[in-house]
Amino acid sequence: EAGVAQSPRYKIIEKRQSVAFWCNPISGHATLYWYQQILGQGPKLLIQFQNNGVVDDSQLPKDRFSAERLKGVDSTLKIQPAKLEDSAVYLCASSLEVGVGEQYFGPGTRLTVT
Amino acid sequence: DAKTTQPNSMESNEEEPVHLPCNHSTISGTDYIHWYRQLPSQGPEYVIHGLTSNVNNRMASLAIAEDRKSSTLILHRATLRDAAVYYCILRATGNQFYFGTGTSLTVIP
Repeated sequence: EAGVAQSPRYKIIEKRQSVAFWCNPISGHATLYWYQQILGQGPKLLIQFQNNGVVDDSQLPKDRFSAERLKGVDSTLKIQPAKLEDSAVYLCASSLEVGVGEQYFGPGTRLTVT
Repeated sequence: DAKTTQPNSMESNEEEPVHLPCNHSTISGTDYIHWYRQLPSQGPEYVIHGLTSNVNNRMASLAIAEDRKSSTLILHRATLRDAAVYYCILRATGNQFYFGTGTSLTVIP
């Protein structure tokens, strides 16, 4: 079974530029999550989708971050414009459905904002 | 929001058992206790979870206190591949995970 795929693996941008990350969850997984992990900290949930609807985006900085999950499969997370404090690893995870079972994480995208 | 407290770091000798503690005094009756670990440069991976009773799987055992205010992850024989950050997480309604800073486990050969 293929795992959660993310791309790119690494990205370096200058502040005020925009960037997008892509995630392909495990086939059949209805729930998809985006996390932000700053160096030395645990992952922080940014947004959770159930199929193509948003379940929780309470910790997403909506003035600069946006996310979508078209057709309930792949998802993209965008930052526009980026700030220095956005430097982090962005992790995507998926699970079969909300409230049940384990989450499967992708390898993450390491973003450096200079 | 983390809701769990873990030691920042622990050490273990290879092939010895490791007991990783976690305090979660504000746990609610419907919160599941999950453990994940994160190896360097990888995403977190599932280890084990439980609600009230002790749980065993091929990776580890989970011992849950009777009042559920604490739990312990047990690795029966630590190997070098077990060196990772271990997160104790309470799963709230809707499957939201709140990660703390975790315990960094060092395994000494």
